[in-house]
Amino acid sequence: GENVEQHPSTLSVQEGDSAVIKCTYSDSASNYFPWYKQELGKRPQLIIDIRSNVGEKKDQRIAVTLNKTAKHFSLHITETQPEDSAVYFCAASRAEKLTFGTGTRLTIIP
Amino acid sequence: NAGVMQNPRHLVRRRGQEARLRCSPMKGHSHVYWYRQLPEEGLKFMVYLQKENIIDESGMPKERFSAEFPKEGPSILRIQQVVRGDSAAYFCASSPGQGSYEQYFGPGTRLTVT
Repeated sequence: GENVEQHPSTLSVQEGDSAVIKCTYSDSASNYFPWYKQELGKRPQLIIDIRSNVGEKKDQRIAVTLNKTAKHFSLHITETQPEDSAVYFCAASRAEKLTFGTGTRLTIIP
Repeated sequence: NAGVMQNPRHLVRRRGQEARLRCSPMKGHSHVYWYRQLPEEGLKFMVYLQKENIIDESGMPKERFSAEFPKEGPSILRIQQVVRGDSAAYFCASSPGQGSYEQYFGPGTRLTVT
């Protein structure tokens, strides 16, 4: 089955700096890669996603890149703000079953 | 446009009792997924259902756990004879299907087994 690894497990950045979270996946047939943000005690929220036929996607301060050959994808957050503090999960899927990474706890230092 | 609804939000059961968790998908969504999240851990896939059909239950424990999504009404995740290890947050997600992969999560049910 699919296996998703996510790094780092914790990340602290100064407000205004950029944050990068990386994931690798094992199943070359995976074709959909979403990112979720989860605040303490809340539901995971879909923040951005990318399909395997696209190399990069951007939405305001958030961008995701995908390297199918190397089987890795990354989340980039620019101009970080305190409200970006949360746990971020990557996931990979084919046939609709999502396999999640173990999460990155992002802390923005004011 | 209501999002994914789950109830109850918190559920306390004694060991050996049954737990029933309910999930109503977003309007227009016909695909439902259940995930389990242990404290400080990621989400683990349990089961994927469409109306009246279980599509993929590869993440479900073989015993005590069952799920259904009837023609009418919410999807239900049922845990029989709960044990302390079942304590977790159980999240339901839904998607419209038909080639749309985005899954939207409900607020979760936090199950505590005492």
